[in-house]
Amino acid sequence: DVKVTQSSRYLVKRTGEKVFLECVQDMDHENMFWYRQDPGLGLRLIYFSYDVKMKEKGDIPEGYSVSREKKERFSLILESASTNQTSMYLCASSSPGQGGSKNIQYFGAGTRLSVL
Amino acid sequence: AQRVTQPEKLLSVFKGAPVELKCNYSYSGSPELFWYVQYSRQRLQLLLRHISRESIKGFTADLNKGETSFHLKKPFAQEEDSAMYYCALSPNQAGTALIFGKGTTLSVSS
Repeated sequence: DVKVTQSSRYLVKRTGEKVFLECVQDMDHENMFWYRQDPGLGLRLIYFSYDVKMKEKGDIPEGYSVSREKKERFSLILESASTNQTSMYLCASSSPGQGGSKNIQYFGAGTRLSVL
Repeated sequence: AQRVTQPEKLLSVFKGAPVELKCNYSYSGSPELFWYVQYSRQRLQLLLRHISRESIKGFTADLNKGETSFHLKKPFAQEEDSAMYYCALSPNQAGTALIFGKGTTLSVSS
């Protein structure tokens, strides 16, 4: 069973703090993704990575950065948290290879971040 | 432009009524289409994909390339179907991400 684990379910941070959201997957997936989920806006892609040390900007990368030093771990960094970054953050992973699970994204449980 | 449109933010039906969640897409190639579901307090998970051509929890979805649609249907809704549903498209190219619609909340009441 694929497991995508996000390090925190809830986080409360102050404006201006540097925030790290961690995600680990155990299925040796090449692709990993960070989304934010907001009511009425659906899922918006922040960044994704298709290989170690590789990253691609998504639709809303401003104010965020990412790090992928190991295949299983993908970190989202808020350099200086702001109140408009209060949201639910979802991590996902997938494999682009052949087989029945190709392109299926598996999601973590989410981290609800509140920036005060 | 690549886009997935779910025209309804909220769909409310009574238990036992038929359900159709609409999804239209814009893509010039041969995409792969998915439906994802998120039940209350659970993680987002795959419901079904068009290449599988299977029925999951009584739901089916048919890819209509002519109308560029992938509507999700169930003949008789159950209360446990209440959830957020997302339609998603894969461009089927290496190094690309799924494109999600904005989601439809399905509410089934008795």
